[in-house]
Amino acid sequence: DILMTQTPLSSPVTLGQPASISCRSSQSLVHNDGNTYLSWLQQRPGQPPRLLIYKISNRFSGVPDRFSGSGAGTDFTLKISRVEAEDVAVYYCMQGTQFPVTFGGGTKVEIK
Amino acid sequence: DVQLVESGGDLVQPGGSLRLSCEASGFTFSSFWMSWVRQAPGKGLEWVANIKNDGSQKYYVDSVKGRFTISRDNAKNSLYLQMNSLRAEDTAVYYCARGVTVDIWGQGTVVTVSS
Repeated sequence: DILMTQTPLSSPVTLGQPASISCRSSQSLVHNDGNTYLSWLQQRPGQPPRLLIYKISNRFSGVPDRFSGSGAGTDFTLKISRVEAEDVAVYYCMQGTQFPVTFGGGTKVEIK
Repeated sequence: DVQLVESGGDLVQPGGSLRLSCEASGFTFSSFWMSWVRQAPGKGLEWVANIKNDGSQKYYVDSVKGRFTISRDNAKNSLYLQMNSLRAEDTAVYYCARGVTVDIWGQGTVVTVSS
């Protein structure tokens, strides 16, 4: 199984400041079809998860452009350019390149 | 609106069975893979199973193999998860989600396994 490791565990951020979350996979996420199935999800308190980014850097419908994804191979990053109060949540990376699908342990973004 | 609605969660004794359902609306259900993902209390997300759009391929996390069965009825726009031989560690909120990309999620249904 592919292990997904996220850092940091927690990220206290000042409103309006940037935040960055790292995700590392135990093996390359490049699929045989050439795509890299790395996604980022947001889970606000008491809510189901919500897809933010798919295939490394593609924002899902309705996701604000302050969220961006980057990376390649085994190292990936989610960036929030300017954190807003509604961004308080746990963020998960997820790989769908190889079954079983696996998630990172989550990073909690909170306001300082 | 694209929507997924889960049902069937309950309190069940260890060793018992439960069948979860997920009704889809607002999209062509038969065109998408579907997934079940669970979240134990206070924990992270764990993928459980998924099924190809025509039901011909199914995949499971090791911890549920032989106990859980994923299925679907495209005529009813519905996804199912039959859970047998339930254990305390299966206690979680169970979400259905669209596709392997999991781009649409339901609100979840709570399964509690306890005596």
